[in-house]
Amino acid sequence: AQSVTQLGSHVSVSEGALVLLRCNYSSSVPPYLFWYVQYPNQGLQLLLKYTSAATLVKGINGFEAEFKKSETSFHLTKPSAHMSDAAEYFCAVSDRAAGNKLTFGGGTRVLVKP
Amino acid sequence: DTGVSQDPRHKITKRGQNVTFRCDPISEHNRLYWYRQTLGQGPEFLTYFQNEAQLEKSRLLSDRFSAERPKGSFSTLEIQRTEQGDSAMYLCASSLSAAGGYEQYFGPGTRLTVT
Repeated sequence: AQSVTQLGSHVSVSEGALVLLRCNYSSSVPPYLFWYVQYPNQGLQLLLKYTSAATLVKGINGFEAEFKKSETSFHLTKPSAHMSDAAEYFCAVSDRAAGNKLTFGGGTRVLVKP
Repeated sequence: DTGVSQDPRHKITKRGQNVTFRCDPISEHNRLYWYRQTLGQGPEFLTYFQNEAQLEKSRLLSDRFSAERPKGSFSTLEIQRTEQGDSAMYLCASSLSAAGGYEQYFGPGTRLTVT
């Protein structure tokens, strides 16, 4: 079975500071990994994905993530936080043996202070 | 590309009533997924279709839940005899089936409140 753990349910950062959201996964096969963002009362929007190509993945809105197999991690970063980054972020792993259904972490809510 | 749409966006119902939600995927996508998200949690997988075939159902999907995708296009999710524990956001997503890990595109969700 696959699983995802997001460390820290809430993160508070100052505008302009580094954003770091942590994600660790468990998968019996080489994983496909995703980060999604969710704004209040909306669906999920894909930020970026890892599908076994480059280990450093760049996404939208200045976000990037690095796949580290040895650490089973896929942490999300953004060098400089913007007020519009305030949202909830979800890390997910795809089950390639079962229709690519997603298993999500519990989410990390980001608060950006002016 | 008009994206994934869901209807209704909000539904309030009394315990014991039946409700039905609709999802329209991106037109060329042959896979359609349903997830449930409760407050403060990540989405949980319920079921998925490839074309009109329902290929997997989660144990979360009790006998009161049924999903269909009759012509391989839109899908419906019905909950019979709703319970307060069914209150959640129901999310639909679609994707292309491929070996390449195609991402899922999510709709805005239907928020169900059972009173």
